[in-house]
Amino acid sequence: SQQGEEDPQALSIQEGENATMNCSYKTSINNLQWYRQNSGRGLVHLILIRSNEREKHSGRLRVTLDTSKKSSSLLITASRAADTASYFCATDGWDDKIIFGKGTRLHILP
Amino acid sequence: GAVVSQHPSWVICKSGTSVKIECRSLDFQATTMFWYRQFPKQSLMLMATSNEGSKATYEQGVEKDKFLINHASLTLSTLTVTSAHPEDSSFYICSASYRGVQETQYFGPGTRLLVL
Repeated sequence: SQQGEEDPQALSIQEGENATMNCSYKTSINNLQWYRQNSGRGLVHLILIRSNEREKHSGRLRVTLDTSKKSSSLLITASRAADTASYFCATDGWDDKIIFGKGTRLHILP
Repeated sequence: GAVVSQHPSWVICKSGTSVKIECRSLDFQATTMFWYRQFPKQSLMLMATSNEGSKATYEQGVEKDKFLINHASLTLSTLTVTSAHPEDSSFYICSASYRGVQETQYFGPGTRLLVL
């Protein structure tokens, strides 16, 4: 089952621009994670943000979490061709069960 | 939308027994299926990638004789945890990928395994 909803579903931007993806969820969470998936490959974990955190950075990635709005955003700065992939948010709650959103397909144009 | 099911949703077994987990794509043919495990409060760890009709590709550190994966059809993949031990207790989740116009991936609800 998939609780999260990422938007947009697909995003195309020019190389060098920033890419922002959003994720909304429905129930209370312990953690929210972002994953990347390249075509034909498995998920790669990008970043985890806990429910008591509001912002987290990792390299060119910036994740924000607003628990009052039940939403998170993933910002990729200075995008590169290699960033072309699908991005998923995943939440886990009281039962530690991880639930995924439907993903955003990001395409970086040369 | 497409649905991926897993069965069972949870299982408790004795140490030494084998447990089979099924992953089915209910309304589409999956080009590829992935198996992940998750320890509590940690991120998913990819175990293996499975393509229909061919042997699964295991990630480094995952014992292929311990975690048997069979992908017999485009709608079914199974993961068998052989001679399960308590350290195999985890949450196992599969995903199914459909490579149409654009690749789309759908996740199963997961299977919680507890080995006593």
